[in-house]
Amino acid sequence: QQQVKQSPQSLIVQKGGISIINCAYENTAFDYFPWYQQFPGKGPALLIAIRPDVSEKKEGRFTISFNKSAKQFSLHIMDSQPGDSATYFCAASKPLGRLYFGRGTQLTVWP
Amino acid sequence: DAGVIQSPRHEVTEMGQEVTLRCKPISGHNSLFWYRQTMMRGLELLIYFNNNVPIDDSGMPEDRFSAKMPNASFSTLKIQPSEPRDSAVYFCATVRDSSYEQYFGPGTRLTVT
Repeated sequence: QQQVKQSPQSLIVQKGGISIINCAYENTAFDYFPWYQQFPGKGPALLIAIRPDVSEKKEGRFTISFNKSAKQFSLHIMDSQPGDSATYFCAASKPLGRLYFGRGTQLTVWP
Repeated sequence: DAGVIQSPRHEVTEMGQEVTLRCKPISGHNSLFWYRQTMMRGLELLIYFNNNVPIDDSGMPEDRFSAKMPNASFSTLKIQPSEPRDSAVYFCATVRDSSYEQYFGPGTRLTVT
């Protein structure tokens, strides 16, 4: 049973465009929602994370939007660049517990 | 800091052989996680340790898989006997007790022929 559902599975965006990846969860005990970025041949690396007490967090071109009532959160990549081409994973965890990962989104940014 | 260290980076073995994957966590990190990544199933948590004690091994596929953490600086994941369906990338990740952020190692790509 997938605790965190992620969509789309793959995404193609033109350089300069906005990339949007969505995730949904069911367990209201989750209190930490990170996004990980993975390049080919590398391990996933933390990109940005949010706690449920805020609805949005922005770091540079990356923004997490969080909707607690809908139990959804999304990653927005503004001004997408070819260097952003990677696989993105959303995840969720209970307080200091294990992470539950989504299935991943393969993002390709065309120059 | 060197980050999470995994060895070997690549392993090719024949079906039926024993395989041992190794992980050295970041110093001071109290929890260690073993993941398996495949195209079909994504990132799966196999087992995790806290202060060297296994906390949740419900993700371990079957008795062929075993993991140990004899001390705070070292963990192993063993597959005996290995099967072609075990082919995957295996990641180790560690986290400090007071933090949420998991740091992943570079992974071990296992191919079982």
